[in-house]
Amino acid sequence: EVQLVQSGAEVKKPGESLRISCKGSGYRFSSFWITWVRQMPGKGLEWMGTIDPSDTYTNYWPSFHGHVTIAADESTNTAYLQWTSLKASDTAMYYCARHKDGSSTSSFDYWGQGSLVAVS
Amino acid sequence: SFELTQPPSVSVSPGQTASITCSGDRLGDRYVFWYQQKPGHSPVLVIYQDSNRPSGIPERFSGSNSANTATLTISGTQTLDEADYYCQAWGAGTAVFGPGTKVTVL
Repeated sequence: EVQLVQSGAEVKKPGESLRISCKGSGYRFSSFWITWVRQMPGKGLEWMGTIDPSDTYTNYWPSFHGHVTIAADESTNTAYLQWTSLKASDTAMYYCARHKDGSSTSSFDYWGQGSLVAVS
Repeated sequence: SFELTQPPSVSVSPGQTASITCSGDRLGDRYVFWYQQKPGHSPVLVIYQDSNRPSGIPERFSGSNSANTATLTISGTQTLDEADYYCQAWGAGTAVFGPGTKVTVL
């Protein structure tokens, strides 16, 4: 069974750093891109960026580029989303999702349960 | 990049058909994907590549895409279909989500 299990909720202060994780299981982790999606309270889905775990190639939505870093560790089947300096506006639920078919531009067929980040 | 437009809300009576539109410039030239999200839950893929249903998605969900508009249709809508629905497409290597449509079944 394919699963993406994300790390738990975090409460941080502005300016602090943070790394949240997304561990894949039940499939060959390196064969499927992973995407990160932000959902601010009461708002819609926003695509942040994606990574190919096989070579750690990344692509970001312009407004997130430089503020977050997406990484992956093939040896632990884990993808990461990290910040070096959080802002209050980073308060949101963050989801990781697997790309269907192993393509960089496919749909997202499996989603993690979400990681809630609160910055205050 | 490009933008996707969806109606904020759609209301439908149980057993009737709900149609949710997603509009964008030359959207018919791209694949469109649809996700269902219920409160407090992660999104679920309900349609991929315009009109294909993933395993486990009921047949009452169908999709189409032509010209500038993609449509998600829920036939014989049930109360459990009440949720937010998002369309999504790719452009220049980046993904774009529509703003979402809240489907109310009453």
